[in-house]
Amino acid sequence: AAGVIQSPRHLIKEKRETATLKCYPIPRHDTVYWYQQGPGQDPQFLISFYEKMQSDKGSIPDRFSAQQFSDYHSELNMSSLELGDSALYFCASSYSGFNTGELFFGEGSRLTVL
Amino acid sequence: SQQGEEDPQALSIQEGENATMNCSYKTSINNLQWYRQNSGRGLVHLILIRSNEREKHSGRLRVTLDTSKKSSSLLITASRAADTASYFCATATYNTDKLIFGTGTRLQVFP
Repeated sequence: AAGVIQSPRHLIKEKRETATLKCYPIPRHDTVYWYQQGPGQDPQFLISFYEKMQSDKGSIPDRFSAQQFSDYHSELNMSSLELGDSALYFCASSYSGFNTGELFFGEGSRLTVL
Repeated sequence: SQQGEEDPQALSIQEGENATMNCSYKTSINNLQWYRQNSGRGLVHLILIRSNEREKHSGRLRVTLDTSKKSSSLLITASRAADTASYFCATATYNTDKLIFGTGTRLQVFP
């Protein structure tokens, strides 16, 4: 079965640069979530989208923005990168119609800021 | 953590033993879920328990929920070396579908 696809899997950037992460949800899933996980930390909710509209917002820095496109894929744009942005970024998807509450996670994009 | 704490933070056991992990949370919830994460990998859903349920089983997993104490426990019976991973609880509230994760328990099962 198709899973959540994230790209790139690994990304190395310098401070003050910009990075874009992409997420392709499971087909028919209408909701996408972004999480940030620092080393040894729990995943922190950043932002979510339902049917291409922002549905919830968490601890996402103002330097970050995200959107969900007409094909339901989502992109997380990060600007003015800081050393503290180094983390695993996870995308998850779900289908609201199932009402099961389960999220399906991708393998993550590891961002390293030097 | 945004939501609560898990204990223990780390647990080491021998194959065949049972592993119990506890999770506490702060707000009223719609459901509580447990996820597993191998090092550096994505999170995998294990089991979901709704706020009106007290206990749920899935294979070697047993989850309990005590909403009066705002706590949950995950029991893995007859553990295997392949169960070595981090285990996170996550809660969903009624007015949103996002999950808020706890701090996680690192489980090491020795052969």
